[in-house]
Amino acid sequence: DTAVSQTPKYLVTQMGNDKSIKCEQNLGHDTMYWYKQDSKKFLKIMFSYNNKELIINETVPNRFSPKSPDKAHLNLHINSLELGDSAVYFCASSPFRTGANEKLFFGSGTQLSVL
Amino acid sequence: DAKTTQPPSMDCAEGRAANLPCNHSTISGNEYVYWYRQIHSQGPQYIIHGLKNNETNEMASLIITEDRKSSTLILPHATLRDTAVYYCIVREHTGNQFYFGTGTSLTVIP
Repeated sequence: DTAVSQTPKYLVTQMGNDKSIKCEQNLGHDTMYWYKQDSKKFLKIMFSYNNKELIINETVPNRFSPKSPDKAHLNLHINSLELGDSAVYFCASSPFRTGANEKLFFGSGTQLSVL
Repeated sequence: DAKTTQPPSMDCAEGRAANLPCNHSTISGNEYVYWYRQIHSQGPQYIIHGLKNNETNEMASLIITEDRKSSTLILPHATLRDTAVYYCIVREHTGNQFYFGTGTSLTVIP
């Protein structure tokens, strides 16, 4: 079984549309994240949730709204898509909110292309 | 944000040791050094982490200088599958964020 799974793997859409990316982890972790990797391959944290509670929001436009129905899921909804939103979005999870042994486990990514 | 400096790219011959350096001159006493790698089109993968002692696991070794201002990730016998971007990250053990820098693109050459 895939530990951190996100769907879809590829998403092609028009500017102005609204889309969602889903993420699920079966590792029993408390904390989940969304990262964005742009065309220059820079990997930047967007959000972090711990037990369904938002703990990090890194100045992401409010068109991006994460939703955590339970601690195993963290979905990303994007309104009014713009060309600059084209990127690869990675979901990740970790077992502890804090701790020296915290490790991130990443999904395989969703490549979003806005036309 | 990212507090580390890494060379943008390196080559290594297959079967040889790959030594990837990282500078973190502003590291504080409670910050750990983590290494992740990202193989093309995949999500980043944890490799190893440490505070001040050298660490070794089945994937790699981590050598941290005594002043903790730099470290080296060692892949003892590089294979073609080790071709990836390697990220060095410093992070407080009580922090939530992992800030990724630009990493080192390692190419293992046959």
